[in-house]
Amino acid sequence: DTTVKQNPRYKLARVGKPVNLICSQTMNHDTMYWYQKKPNQAPKLLLFYYDKILNREADTFEKFQSSRPNNSFCSLYIGSAGLEYSAMYLCASSRELGGRYAEQFFGPGTRLTVL
Amino acid sequence: GDSVTQTEGLVTLTKGLPVMLNCTYQTTYSPFLFWYVQHLNEAPKLLLKSSTDNKRTEHQGFYATLHKSSSSFHLQKSSVQLSDSALYFCALSDRGYAQGLTFGLGTRVSVFP
Repeated sequence: DTTVKQNPRYKLARVGKPVNLICSQTMNHDTMYWYQKKPNQAPKLLLFYYDKILNREADTFEKFQSSRPNNSFCSLYIGSAGLEYSAMYLCASSRELGGRYAEQFFGPGTRLTVL
Repeated sequence: GDSVTQTEGLVTLTKGLPVMLNCTYQTTYSPFLFWYVQHLNEAPKLLLKSSTDNKRTEHQGFYATLHKSSSSFHLQKSSVQLSDSALYFCALSDRGYAQGLTFGLGTRVSVFP
C-alpha cells in the first residue's frame, strides 16, 4: 500500500479556534512533510519530520505546530485559526534509500476553510 | 532562493494532439527535477524525475529532458488522451534527502474530444 491518508478531507473552522489535521502512512517512511497550497499559488513547504526531528520553515515557524507520535502518524496543528489559514494542506512522506533524493508520496489533501 | 517557473496556467487542446508544458528553475545547488500530476480530487502522483543532464526520461507516454545549461525540464507528450486532463506540477529538490520540494504554480491541462 503506497497511499498516504489524510483526515478529514474537508474541515470547517471558526476564526480563533484550534485546528488539528491528521496524516498517516503505512510504508514505514522516515520523513513526513506538510505543504500548504492556496489558490493560484504553488504548494509551499511548512515543516517536516525526519524520524523524530521536526524542521520548520523560518517564515511559518510560529504559525504551525506538529507532532509525530509514531512512525505512521503526523499531525498539523493550528492554535488559533485565522482567515489566512484557509487553504489545501497536503501531507507527503518519503524514505531514504541511500541516494540524495527520494520520491515523495502525497496524500489527497485536507481543504481547510476558516470562517 | 530556489524557484520554479511554469509559464502556462491553463492549456486546452484536442485529443490526439501533442503537448509541451514548460518548466524552468533557479538554484545554486545541483538540481533534481520532478513532474507530479494531480487528477481531480486525487493525490499528486510522481510522473517523472531526473537529475541527469541531457538524458531523456519517460513514463506513461510522457517524457522530459533535464537541460542544466538552460535550467529547464519541459514535459512533453506526443498524443494526449482525455485521461491526461489534470494539474501538472514541476518541482525542484536540491539539497539532498529530507528537504522539501520547491513547486511551480502548476499547469492545468484540459483535453477535449
